[in-house]
Amino acid sequence: DTGVSQDPRHKITKRGQNVTFRCDPISEHNRLYWYRQTLGQGPEFLTYFQNEAQLEKSRLLSDRFSAERPKGSFSTLEIQRTEQGDSAMYLCASSLAWGAGQPQHFGDGTRLSIL
Amino acid sequence: DQQVKQNSPSLSVQEGRISILNCDYTNSMFDYFLWYKKYPAEGPTFLISISSIKDKNEDGRFTVFLNKSAKHLSLHIVPSQPGDSAVYFCAALITQGGSEKLVFGKGTKLTVNP
Repeated sequence: DTGVSQDPRHKITKRGQNVTFRCDPISEHNRLYWYRQTLGQGPEFLTYFQNEAQLEKSRLLSDRFSAERPKGSFSTLEIQRTEQGDSAMYLCASSLAWGAGQPQHFGDGTRLSIL
Repeated sequence: DQQVKQNSPSLSVQEGRISILNCDYTNSMFDYFLWYKKYPAEGPTFLISISSIKDKNEDGRFTVFLNKSAKHLSLHIVPSQPGDSAVYFCAALITQGGSEKLVFGKGTKLTVNP
């Protein structure tokens, strides 16, 4: 059973640089989510895709953030002109439609550190 | 404005005893409630869920209770094992206008002592 895969696991970059993260969901899952988790907090919702359509974006997702899911398979999250406050764990999750009774399954995340 | 609250940052219990983790919420529109377990350097792992129309769901050593009038849910682990030591997150699912998302609490760190 292949779970949700995220790459890279760690990213260290200088302030002002652009970064891109990748998420490969569980293959039969049509829903994909991005969350951000900072120290001492629970994950916070960023955005949600159903197949290739991005259906919701959180107010946390500033104009510097963009997410895509071409062809409804893997997804990328790009942060442009990174800032210190972007340092966090970025988590990806996938699920079947909730009506099927399936929960969101999370990857192990990408930890971003901004120098 | 925190819609899902876990007021106990940590909990310590002896192996074999019951662990009770608590969660309060404010939004009556939540459809499901879920508990996730998280080990260091790993993503959250789903444990158990409950529909907003139920009051109890059980899966092995894990039972979740929902009290809608009090807007409170709890996770019971019986008997507790050292391998249960982890951070436990309470999460609520909200579905609106074709979208859905989880709203998480801040987590409770459970330590089960041998």
